[in-house]
Amino acid sequence: DQQVKQNSPSLSVQEGRISILNCDYTNSMFDYFLWYKKYPAEGPTFLISISSIKDKNEDGRFTVFLNKSAKHLSLHIVPSQPGDSAVYFCAASAVLTGGGNKLTFGTGTQLKVEL
Amino acid sequence: EAGVAQSPRYKIIEKRQSVAFWCNPISGHATLYWYQQILGQGPKLLIQFQNNGVVDDSQLPKDRFSAERLKGVDSTLKIQPAKLEDSAVYLCASSSVRAGGYTFGSGTRLTVV
Repeated sequence: DQQVKQNSPSLSVQEGRISILNCDYTNSMFDYFLWYKKYPAEGPTFLISISSIKDKNEDGRFTVFLNKSAKHLSLHIVPSQPGDSAVYFCAASAVLTGGGNKLTFGTGTQLKVEL
Repeated sequence: EAGVAQSPRYKIIEKRQSVAFWCNPISGHATLYWYQQILGQGPKLLIQFQNNGVVDDSQLPKDRFSAERLKGVDSTLKIQPAKLEDSAVYLCASSSVRAGGYTFGSGTRLTVV
């Protein structure tokens, strides 16, 4: 049961253009969403997050949009740079009954920014 | 601050052998996670500790996997006996606060042959 889905395994964008990475989720209990970036041979690093009470969060070149009714979020990168080439994971957080919270990850989208 | 430390970086073992991974979280982080990332998939949570207590181990194959976090600091994840399908990157993460607080280590790449 894939509760967090990233349907595009790869995306290729020209430098300077906008990159849009999409993510869908099924569990309405998720109340916090995060994007992670992963380079080869490294662990994922946190990029940007959004609470379910918001519909937009912006940090420099990165903006995350949340559409709760559609259970959809997207990450916009503008302008895209070659150093943005990496795998991007969407993750959703839900509170555990025993305390703390649990992250569920999507399968990732490989972004390639070409010169 | 120092990041999450994991060792070893790489490990190759034969099926039915045992293996152990070690994680040292960021100092002061109460929550520690072990994730399994199979090639082409997203990380999957195996076990989550709050200090030295288990919060969630619902996806840990307990017949072969075990994990402990003694004294609420370092943690070890063990697989015994290993199967071919255990080949994956094992990621350790720690957090202190919720918002973007997960910090991952570089992972241990396990290959079972």
